[in-house]
Amino acid sequence: NAGVTQTPKFRVLKTGQSMTLLCAQDMNHEYMYWYRQDPGMGLRLIHYSVGEGTTAKGEVPDGYNVSRLKKQNFLLGLESAAPSQTSVYFCASSYGLGNSPLHFGNGTRLTVT
Amino acid sequence: DAKTTQPPSMDCAEGRAANLPCNHSTISGNEYVYWYRQIHSQGPQYIIHGLKNNETNEMASLIITEDRKSSTLILPHATLRDTAVYYCIAYSGNTPLVFGKGTRLSVIA
Repeated sequence: NAGVTQTPKFRVLKTGQSMTLLCAQDMNHEYMYWYRQDPGMGLRLIHYSVGEGTTAKGEVPDGYNVSRLKKQNFLLGLESAAPSQTSVYFCASSYGLGNSPLHFGNGTRLTVT
Repeated sequence: DAKTTQPPSMDCAEGRAANLPCNHSTISGNEYVYWYRQIHSQGPQYIIHGLKNNETNEMASLIITEDRKSSTLILPHATLRDTAVYYCIAYSGNTPLVFGKGTRLSVIA
């Protein structure tokens, strides 16, 4: 039981390049989330999904797209990376809402030069 | 969900109990009090949560005041590995989980 797995762990991009971050969970959780964390700051929600085939915007969605084609996977895409997107990205999942804790992955450290 | 207020930092001697306070004076009846922690560079780790009653698990205890306007997370015997940022969050599920700045706990040998 791996929990929440994020790939890759590290990536360096040049400005304008694109990439996809993959999040996979093996807990049959309905809800999945993408957060970013900048140095010295708390986590900010980018996008989330309340079930397979659904996505919704969080606090800071601009510059990102997401897809949830399979229940166990939640993909975060950067179409044209910018230095402002240099951050650590965390994926999380939960079984439900309210009385259901979020389980987090160990993050993807992205640097855009 | 209700805003929470935590001290920015605290110190605790190794082996002693760490008591981390949190104020959530505007919490509503359907909001749970959640605690997470983040050890340097790792993903946030769920610790405990509760609605009205005090809760205990293998990691910590959560004490919620009767009026639910504040709570305390207790780590009974803090170790160096408990050094982390601790987040207190009021969460109902009506909106996604939002993290504040938390309390940076330093456990000192």
